[in-house]
Amino acid sequence: QVQLVQSGAEVKKPGASVKVSCKASGYTFTNYGISWVRQAPGQGLEWMGWISAYNGNTDYAQKLQGRVTMTTDTSTSTAYMDLRSLRSDDTAVYYCARAPYYSDSSGYYGDWGQGTLVTVSS
Amino acid sequence: EIVLTQSPGTLSLSPGERATLSCRASRSVRSSYLAWYQQKPGQAPRLLTYGASSRATGIPDRFSGSGSGTDFTLTVSRLEPEDFAVYYCQQYGSSPLTFGGGTKVAIK
Repeated sequence: QVQLVQSGAEVKKPGASVKVSCKASGYTFTNYGISWVRQAPGQGLEWMGWISAYNGNTDYAQKLQGRVTMTTDTSTSTAYMDLRSLRSDDTAVYYCARAPYYSDSSGYYGDWGQGTLVTVSS
Repeated sequence: EIVLTQSPGTLSLSPGERATLSCRASRSVRSSYLAWYQQKPGQAPRLLTYGASSRATGIPDRFSGSGSGTDFTLTVSRLEPEDFAVYYCQQYGSSPLTFGGGTKVAIK
């Protein structure tokens, strides 16, 4: 069965960076994409972007352009989301999700990681 | 960017009642690429329907999606105790993908 296992909770100071990992199993990693979605406390879901596990192409949400980098390591079937210049409003649970296409960012998400809480506080 | 507006914000109902949730898009959603998710506290979202009306694997038939263009609906025909949760719609036809603000279905 498909599993996405994320790294543990992080506490960061404003201005720092965080890197969250998402290890995939149960399917051929390079046949799909990985998307990242975050959820601030008590708030709704926000799409952050997508990466093709096939060729590394990315599509980022405009509001995060310049601060976010998504990468994959196909040798370990792991995706990473790096967010820089952290602010207090980046405090959220960050989810990875398997995206159905490796060719573009469209698609719904049937498989999700368990979520990683990132807290930004001085 | 396509903005999705969900209504109502909160729906207070009793088990056994019918729930009707609305999702309205700021412009037409390509090919009815609209999904619905259920989320319970402390859990990741769970896919319910996609393509406006197709049920995901393992989802009970009391959940049904409908609509096209800019107006979409999720209906839960008879609420079970485990259905009280927050529901989100998502359009996945054009980037950036976007989610609605959510509808909470609460026990009356």
